[in-house]
Amino acid sequence: GAVVSQHPSRVICKSGTSVKIECRSLDFQATTMFWYRQFPKQSLMLMATSNEGSKATYEQGVEKDKFLINHASLTLSTLTVTSAHPEDSSFYICSASRDRSNEKLFFGSGTQLSVL
Amino acid sequence: GDSVTQMEGPVTLSEEAFLTINCTYTATGYPSLFWYVQYPGEGLQLLLKATKADDKGSNKGFEATYRKETTSFHLEKGSVQVSDSAVYFCALINFGNEKLTFGTGTRLTIIP
Repeated sequence: GAVVSQHPSRVICKSGTSVKIECRSLDFQATTMFWYRQFPKQSLMLMATSNEGSKATYEQGVEKDKFLINHASLTLSTLTVTSAHPEDSSFYICSASRDRSNEKLFFGSGTQLSVL
Repeated sequence: GDSVTQMEGPVTLSEEAFLTINCTYTATGYPSLFWYVQYPGEGLQLLLKATKADDKGSNKGFEATYRKETTSFHLEKGSVQVSDSAVYFCALINFGNEKLTFGTGTRLTIIP
C-alpha cells in the first residue's frame, strides 16, 4: 500500500527554538496533506490542511504564525513549530490523500515533540 | 460540531478473548465511519469502514456495524491475537466537511 514517511519520530528541543517536521508521500502524489496533533488522552485534532502550491488552511484556534506549513511539492509537506514552548509538546501526525474525496488517507508514523 | 467518543483504554485481554471497543458519534447528516489502527512505530492504517446505516465493515477478523439508531460503530473481534496489540481510533467524515474527526484512541494489549 501507499507509504507516508514522517521524520523525525521523536524530537526534544529547548524552549524558544524552532523544530521542523517533514512528511513525504513515497510512492504517490498527494493532492492534499493534513497535519494533526494529539495531547495525552485526547483526540487527534486537525490543525491544518495543505494543498500543493497554495497556502495552508488552518483550523480555528491554530496559530498560523506559530505552526508554519509549507507544501512545496506533491510529495512533501513540512510543519515548523516556531519558538517552541513546553505547551507545544505533543504528538504530531501527518496524513496524505491521493484523491479529492479524502476518504482514503495514508498516515505518517507521527512525531513526539518534547519542549524543555 | 461533529464528535467521536470511544471507550478509554488501555484495554488488556488474553489471547483468544472476545474484543469490543465502543464508539459513538455525534454528527449531522450521514457521515461515513471508520476504524483506524496504529501498530507500534507505524502510521495509522485504515482497518475498516462503513458508509451508510446498517453497513458492516470487516477486515482481519474485525467487524463494526453502522448503527444509526444508536449512533454507534463498535469494533468487535471474536478471538484476538497478540499481533492485534495496537492503538485503535474511531473516526468519521461528514460530506460537506470532508475532514476526519477522530476519537481519542484506545490502546489494546493482548497477552499470550
